Amino acid sequence: QQQVKQSPQSLIVQKGGISIINCAYENTAFDYFPWYQQFPGKGPALLIAIRPDVSEKKEGRFTISFNKSAKQFSLHIMDSQPGDSATYFCAASISGGYQKVTFGIGTKLQVIP
Amino acid sequence: EPEVTQTPSHQVTQMGQEVILRCVPISNHLYFYWYRQILGQKVEFLVSFYNNEISEKSEIFDDQFSVERPDGSNFTLKIRSTKLEDSAMYFCASSESWAQGRTDTQYFGPGTRLTVL
Repeated sequence: QQQVKQSPQSLIVQKGGISIINCAYENTAFDYFPWYQQFPGKGPALLIAIRPDVSEKKEGRFTISFNKSAKQFSLHIMDSQPGDSATYFCAASISGGYQKVTFGIGTKLQVIP
Repeated sequence: EPEVTQTPSHQVTQMGQEVILRCVPISNHLYFYWYRQILGQKVEFLVSFYNNEISEKSEIFDDQFSVERPDGSNFTLKIRSTKLEDSAMYFCASSESWAQGRTDTQYFGPGTRLTVL
């Protein structure tokens, strides 16, 4: 019940295209859903996060869509750039406790020129 | 910009040996965490630490593991007798504060790659 399922595990997108990564969770107690970006040799870095009281959050070219009833959320990267090539992790945690973050398996995104 | 640092970046050890992985969290942070990532698998929570004691640990964090904040800046993970399956990337993270209904960002270090032979 603590799992966060993420797909696809790898994604190749043309420069300027839209990258879409999907995640699903089971535990309805999760109330904070961050996305992390990881470049080779670096630790995960927070990219954008959402709470279930909103259905969408946008920051620049990055948008999270959230469907509470379906227990699904997704990351859209608009106008994808080669510099976006990285591994992306969706995650979930529960407020009100110590912040154990449950990660998805990760998606390796490659944006080709 | 403040960042979490970890040493060493790569540690190679023989099975059965003890290893200590070191982390320097961001200076004003109060909450500290260890995660690990076995190659090709997801990042998994190991332990959280606050006010000089463990606040939560996963089933992975058995008696072979221990954490310590030996001084005001370092946070360490010790594996007492390493096993082959302990080979993984270990990430330290820290966060500034937490309040009811508000989750603060965890900042991750670059990781230590542990290889057990």
